[in-house]
Amino acid sequence: KAGVTQTPRYLIKTRGQQVTLSCSPISGHRSVSWYQQTPGQGLQFLFEYFSETQRNKGNFPGRFSGRQFSNSRSEMNVSTLELGDSALYLCASSLDGMPYEQYFGPGTRLTVT
Amino acid sequence: GENVEQHPSTLSVQEGDSAVIKCTYSDSASNYFPWYKQELGKRPQLIIDIRSNVGEKKDQRIAVTLNKTAKHFSLHITETQPEDSAVYFCAASMGNQFYFGTGTSLTVIP
Repeated sequence: KAGVTQTPRYLIKTRGQQVTLSCSPISGHRSVSWYQQTPGQGLQFLFEYFSETQRNKGNFPGRFSGRQFSNSRSEMNVSTLELGDSALYLCASSLDGMPYEQYFGPGTRLTVT
Repeated sequence: GENVEQHPSTLSVQEGDSAVIKCTYSDSASNYFPWYKQELGKRPQLIIDIRSNVGEKKDQRIAVTLNKTAKHFSLHITETQPEDSAVYFCAASMGNQFYFGTGTSLTVIP
Protein backbone atom coordinates (compact mmCIF):
# COMPACT_ATOMS: atom_id res chain seq x y z
CA LYS A 1 0.00 0.00 0.00
CA ALA A 2 1.13 3.53 -0.62
CA GLY A 3 2.10 5.43 2.49
CA VAL A 4 0.74 8.67 3.85
CA THR A 5 1.44 11.58 1.54
CA GLN A 6 1.47 15.28 2.25
CA THR A 7 1.56 18.27 -0.04
CA PRO A 8 3.25 20.58 -0.39
CA ARG A 9 6.50 19.48 1.22
CA TYR A 10 7.79 23.00 1.72
CA LEU A 11 6.09 26.36 2.04
CA ILE A 12 7.26 29.87 2.70
CA LYS A 13 4.61 32.36 3.73
CA THR A 14 4.49 35.86 5.06
CA ARG A 15 3.11 36.81 8.46
CA GLY A 16 -0.62 37.51 8.21
CA GLN A 17 -1.22 35.20 5.27
CA GLN A 18 -3.10 31.92 5.42
CA VAL A 19 -2.04 28.46 4.33
CA THR A 20 -3.67 25.14 3.50
CA LEU A 21 -1.87 21.82 3.86
CA SER A 22 -3.09 18.52 2.47
CA CYS A 23 -2.79 14.94 3.68
CA SER A 24 -3.75 11.71 1.93
CA PRO A 25 -3.95 8.74 4.30
CA ILE A 26 -3.10 5.14 3.64
CA SER A 27 -5.86 3.44 1.67
CA GLY A 28 -8.49 2.14 4.09
CA HIS A 29 -7.44 4.39 6.96
CA ARG A 30 -10.25 6.65 8.04
CA SER A 31 -8.63 8.45 10.96
CA VAL A 32 -6.28 11.35 10.23
CA SER A 33 -4.44 13.29 12.91
CA TRP A 34 -2.37 16.44 12.58
CA TYR A 35 0.67 17.39 14.65
CA GLN A 36 2.97 20.37 14.91
CA GLN A 37 6.65 19.63 15.46
CA THR A 38 9.10 22.38 16.39
CA PRO A 39 12.80 22.09 17.31
CA GLY A 40 13.23 20.80 20.84
CA GLN A 41 9.54 19.99 21.16
CA GLY A 42 7.72 16.76 20.88
CA LEU A 43 4.83 16.30 18.56
CA GLN A 44 2.00 18.54 19.62
CA PHE A 45 -1.44 17.27 18.75
CA LEU A 46 -3.62 19.61 16.70
CA PHE A 47 -6.73 17.58 15.88
CA GLU A 48 -8.03 14.26 14.66
CA TYR A 49 -10.67 13.59 12.04
CA PHE A 50 -12.72 10.50 11.43
CA SER A 51 -15.51 10.13 8.89
CA GLU A 52 -15.40 13.83 8.06
CA THR A 53 -15.89 14.80 11.72
CA GLN A 54 -13.42 16.35 14.09
CA ARG A 55 -13.29 13.86 16.90
CA ASN A 56 -10.45 15.21 19.03
CA LYS A 57 -8.83 18.62 19.35
CA GLY A 58 -5.62 19.80 20.96
CA ASN A 59 -4.84 23.11 22.62
CA PHE A 60 -4.25 25.33 19.63
CA PRO A 61 -5.93 28.64 18.82
CA GLY A 62 -8.88 28.84 16.48
CA ARG A 63 -6.57 30.01 13.68
CA PHE A 64 -5.81 26.34 13.19
CA SER A 65 -8.61 24.43 11.57
CA GLY A 66 -9.09 21.35 9.48
CA ARG A 67 -11.48 19.23 7.59
CA GLN A 68 -11.78 15.77 6.14
CA PHE A 69 -13.35 14.72 2.90
CA SER A 70 -15.43 11.65 2.10
CA ASN A 71 -12.34 9.90 0.68
CA SER A 72 -10.57 10.45 4.04
CA ARG A 73 -8.17 13.01 2.63
CA SER A 74 -7.69 15.84 5.06
CA GLU A 75 -6.68 19.47 4.90
CA MET A 76 -5.37 21.75 7.59
CA ASN A 77 -5.68 25.51 7.41
CA VAL A 78 -3.83 28.15 9.37
CA SER A 79 -5.10 31.70 9.09
CA THR A 80 -3.33 34.93 10.01
CA LEU A 81 0.06 33.28 10.16
CA GLU A 82 2.47 34.21 12.93
CA LEU A 83 6.24 33.75 13.03
CA GLY A 84 5.76 31.11 15.74
CA ASP A 85 3.76 28.96 13.34
CA SER A 86 6.98 28.02 11.56
CA ALA A 87 7.21 24.28 12.07
CA LEU A 88 7.02 20.84 10.53
CA TYR A 89 3.39 19.82 10.21
CA LEU A 90 2.88 16.09 10.23
CA CYS A 91 -0.23 14.14 9.54
CA ALA A 92 -0.75 10.53 10.51
CA SER A 93 -3.37 8.01 9.57
CA SER A 94 -4.68 4.92 11.29
CA LEU A 95 -7.45 2.39 11.20
CA ASP A 96 -10.15 3.06 13.72
CA GLY A 97 -10.09 0.76 16.69
CA MET A 98 -7.36 -1.44 18.10
CA PRO A 99 -4.63 -1.64 17.05
CA TYR A 100 -4.25 2.12 16.85
CA GLU A 101 -1.06 1.96 14.84
CA GLN A 102 -0.46 5.39 13.44
CA TYR A 103 1.61 6.03 10.34
CA PHE A 104 3.10 9.39 9.56
CA GLY A 105 3.47 11.33 6.37
CA PRO A 106 6.72 13.09 5.44
CA GLY A 107 5.45 16.42 6.73
CA THR A 108 5.13 19.92 5.36
CA ARG A 109 7.87 22.32 6.40
CA LEU A 110 6.22 25.74 6.87
CA THR A 111 8.37 28.82 7.22
CA VAL A 112 6.69 32.11 8.13
CA THR A 113 8.72 35.26 7.45
CA GLY B 1 -5.71 15.26 29.79
CA GLU B 2 -2.86 12.83 29.45
CA ASN B 3 0.71 13.97 30.19
CA VAL B 4 3.70 11.99 28.92
CA GLU B 5 7.18 12.66 30.24
CA GLN B 6 10.26 11.22 28.57
CA HIS B 7 13.82 10.89 29.87
CA PRO B 8 16.60 11.44 29.09
CA SER B 9 16.41 14.14 26.46
CA THR B 10 19.83 13.16 25.10
CA LEU B 11 21.71 9.89 25.33
CA SER B 12 25.12 8.89 24.02
CA VAL B 13 26.30 5.28 24.06
CA GLN B 14 29.21 3.36 22.64
CA GLU B 15 28.46 1.04 19.78
CA GLY B 16 27.49 -2.36 21.13
CA ASP B 17 26.22 -1.01 24.45
CA SER B 18 22.56 -0.91 25.47
CA ALA B 19 20.33 2.15 25.54
CA VAL B 20 17.26 2.67 27.72
CA ILE B 21 14.68 5.42 27.35
CA LYS B 22 11.94 5.86 29.92
CA CYS B 23 8.48 7.41 29.76
CA THR B 24 5.80 8.02 32.33
CA TYR B 25 2.15 8.76 31.72
CA SER B 26 -0.57 10.17 33.92
CA ASP B 27 -3.88 8.74 32.74
CA SER B 28 -4.55 5.15 33.75
CA ALA B 29 -7.07 4.90 30.88
CA SER B 30 -4.25 4.96 28.32
CA ASN B 31 -4.05 1.53 26.77
CA TYR B 32 -1.64 1.72 23.82
CA PHE B 33 2.01 2.77 23.95
CA PRO B 34 3.95 3.10 20.69
CA TRP B 35 7.55 4.13 20.13
CA TYR B 36 8.67 6.07 17.10
CA LYS B 37 12.10 6.64 15.60
CA GLN B 38 12.74 9.81 13.66
CA GLU B 39 15.93 10.18 11.68
CA LEU B 40 17.07 13.62 10.68
CA GLY B 41 14.82 15.07 8.02
CA LYS B 42 12.56 12.04 7.93
CA ARG B 43 9.11 11.12 9.18
CA PRO B 44 8.59 9.37 12.53
CA GLN B 45 8.44 5.62 12.03
CA LEU B 46 6.72 3.17 14.32
CA ILE B 47 9.35 0.74 15.64
CA ILE B 48 7.53 -1.11 18.38
CA ASP B 49 4.37 -0.83 20.43
CA ILE B 50 2.76 -2.43 23.45
CA ARG B 51 -0.81 -2.72 24.64
CA SER B 52 -1.93 -2.41 28.22
CA ASN B 53 -2.65 -6.13 28.58
CA VAL B 54 0.99 -7.01 27.91
CA GLY B 55 4.00 -6.42 30.17
CA GLU B 56 6.81 -6.85 27.69
CA LYS B 57 7.35 -7.15 23.96
CA LYS B 58 10.52 -7.83 22.05
CA ASP B 59 11.51 -7.48 18.40
CA GLN B 60 15.10 -8.48 17.69
CA ARG B 61 17.32 -5.85 19.41
CA ILE B 62 14.40 -3.73 20.57
CA ALA B 63 12.17 -4.37 23.57
CA VAL B 64 9.51 -2.41 25.39
CA THR B 65 8.33 -2.95 28.95
CA LEU B 66 5.18 -1.60 30.56
CA ASN B 67 4.41 -1.18 34.25
CA LYS B 68 0.74 -0.20 34.48
CA THR B 69 0.80 0.17 38.24
CA ALA B 70 3.62 2.69 38.16
CA LYS B 71 2.40 4.16 34.85
CA HIS B 72 5.73 3.93 33.11
CA PHE B 73 7.10 2.20 30.06
CA SER B 74 10.59 1.89 28.65
CA LEU B 75 12.37 1.24 25.38
CA HIS B 76 15.45 -0.98 25.47
CA ILE B 77 17.86 -1.20 22.55
CA THR B 78 20.61 -3.79 22.84
CA GLU B 79 23.82 -4.09 20.84
CA THR B 80 23.42 -0.56 19.55
CA GLN B 81 24.67 0.32 16.08
CA PRO B 82 25.45 3.71 14.49
CA GLU B 83 22.24 3.46 12.45
CA ASP B 84 20.27 3.50 15.70
CA SER B 85 21.24 7.17 16.06
CA ALA B 86 17.99 9.15 15.85
CA VAL B 87 15.36 10.86 17.96
CA TYR B 88 13.00 8.46 19.70
CA PHE B 89 9.50 9.43 20.81
CA CYS B 90 7.22 7.57 23.15
CA ALA B 91 3.46 8.05 23.13
CA ALA B 92 0.41 7.05 25.09
CA SER B 93 -3.08 6.83 23.69
CA MET B 94 -6.68 6.14 24.47
CA GLY B 95 -8.46 5.52 21.24
CA ASN B 96 -7.15 7.63 18.40
CA GLN B 97 -5.78 10.53 20.44
CA PHE B 98 -2.05 10.27 20.98
CA TYR B 99 0.10 12.12 23.51
CA PHE B 100 3.81 12.23 22.76
CA GLY B 101 6.87 12.66 24.91
CA THR B 102 9.36 15.36 24.00
CA GLY B 103 11.84 12.94 22.46
CA THR B 104 15.25 11.45 23.21
CA SER B 105 18.16 12.15 20.89
CA LEU B 106 20.24 8.97 20.83
CA THR B 107 23.78 9.06 19.51
CA VAL B 108 25.66 5.80 19.04
CA ILE B 109 29.41 6.40 18.96
CA PRO B 110 31.32 4.00 16.68
